Amino acid sequence: NFMLTQPHSVSESPGKTVTISCTRSSGSFASNYVQWYQQRPGCAPTTVIYEDNQRPSGVPDRFSGSIDSSSNSASLTISGLKTEDEADYYCQSYDSSNRGVFGGGTKLTVL
Amino acid sequence: QLQLQESGPGLVKPSETLSLTCTVSGGSISSSSYYWGWIRQPPGKGLEWIGSIYYSGSTYYNPSLKSRVTISVDTSKNQFSLKLSSVTAADTAVYYCARRIYCTNGVCYPGYFDYWGQGTLVTVSS
Repeated sequence: NFMLTQPHSVSESPGKTVTISCTRSSGSFASNYVQWYQQRPGCAPTTVIYEDNQRPSGVPDRFSGSIDSSSNSASLTISGLKTEDEADYYCQSYDSSNRGVFGGGTKLTVL
Repeated sequence: QLQLQESGPGLVKPSETLSLTCTVSGGSISSSSYYWGWIRQPPGKGLEWIGSIYYSGSTYYNPSLKSRVTISVDTSKNQFSLKLSSVTAADTAVYYCARRIYCTNGVCYPGYFDYWGQGTLVTVSS
C-alpha cells in the first residue's frame, strides 16, 4: 500500500497564506481523488476539500486544493488566515482497491 | 439532518474483542449512494482508516488490520458494526463512524466522509 506524507507542523500569521503539502509514496493521484479534513481539538474531523479541489457548502473560498502530478503531491492552501483556522489537517486518498489511506496530519498554528 | 452515534464498551481487556455499533438516524443506511466506515485515532496521534461497508455487505478493510477486523451491517436497525479481535494497548483510540460518498449523479467512486459520529474512546487495559 502507499503512504501520504505531510509536514508535521506549519505556522503563519493571521491574514497570510499557508500551504500544506501531501506527497504520495507510490501510485498516482490521477487514479483517486484527494480529500482534506480539518480537525479541531476534541472534535471529529470535517471536510474542507474533496475531489482534489472542491469545497463543501459552508467552507469559505479561502480554502483551496490542488494536485501537482510532477511531484505526485497534493496541496491545501488557506489564504487570509484566521485564528479559527488553527487545527490539524489531514489529507486522504485511496489505493487501487478502494482502501483508504490518511496522511499523518499537519498541525497548523496561526500566531 | 443525518446523525451517527457510536456505542459500545469504553474498556476492553487485552486479547479480547472490541465491539462497537454505529446507529444512523435521519437517513437510510440502505441508500445506494453511500458506504459506511470506521476510522480511529490513538490519543495524540493521527487518523487511521479501518474499513468501509456497503448496505449490501460489500466491505473494504485496511490491509494492516484485515486479519482482525470485521465490519457488518444491519439494515433493519439502520446500524453498522465493528469488531476488532485480539486487541492490545496499541488499539486504544477514539473510534469514529462516518458516512462515505460512493455514488453521485450516477457516477460511483471512493469519495469523502461527509458525516461523522462524535467518536468514542476505547481503552484496552486489564
